[in-house]
Amino acid sequence: AQSVTQLDSQVPVFEEAPVELRCNYSSSVSVYLFWYVQYPNQGLQLLLKYLSGSTLVKGINGFEAEFNKSQTSFHLRKPSVHISDTAEYFCAVKGSGGYQKVTFGIGTKLQVIP
Amino acid sequence: DADVTQTPRNRITKTGKRIMLECSQTKGHDRMYWYRQDPGLGLRLIYYSFDVKDINKGEISDGYSVSRQAQAKFSLSLESAIPNQTALYFCATSEGGRGETQYFGPGTRLLVL
Repeated sequence: AQSVTQLDSQVPVFEEAPVELRCNYSSSVSVYLFWYVQYPNQGLQLLLKYLSGSTLVKGINGFEAEFNKSQTSFHLRKPSVHISDTAEYFCAVKGSGGYQKVTFGIGTKLQVIP
Repeated sequence: DADVTQTPRNRITKTGKRIMLECSQTKGHDRMYWYRQDPGLGLRLIYYSFDVKDINKGEISDGYSVSRQAQAKFSLSLESAIPNQTALYFCATSEGGRGETQYFGPGTRLLVL
């Protein structure tokens, strides 16, 4: 079994300020980790993913995330946010080996304040 | 044109009615999924299909059924709609493999009165 915890349901941040969206996971097997973004009235789209190798993963729109195995975390960061980053962000985990379904977190709403 | 399309985009129906949500994809993927999104609960998997002959229940399949008419088409039915099925429904596709990316449709907003 696997699970994902997104610790913040809403994160307000001023434009051009840095932001961190937190994600912790649990799994009995090795995992692949994802961040998806959902803009208003749209479906989800992939922001970035960790499969293996370097623990720092860079994604689209200047976002990056760091995989920390010891802390079972995969926090998402951006050094300077823009109004257009206002969206809901979902962390997701998938176990490795055979077919494993993807488990999504409950989402974090990022509100960028002008 | 969008790679994953869903129809209708919005639907209002009454308790007890049968309703079908349709999904089509042009990505050529074998795997297709149906999720529902509820505030505070994130996305939950209803059904998934790895090919036309393979249908599997997800974590919340009760009250739902699906049909995979072709590689590109995957429909979700609510046999007798009830108010707690009011939600945002998403179809998604993927090509499989480790770390597969899922590609989502724009969603169908369903209100059951």
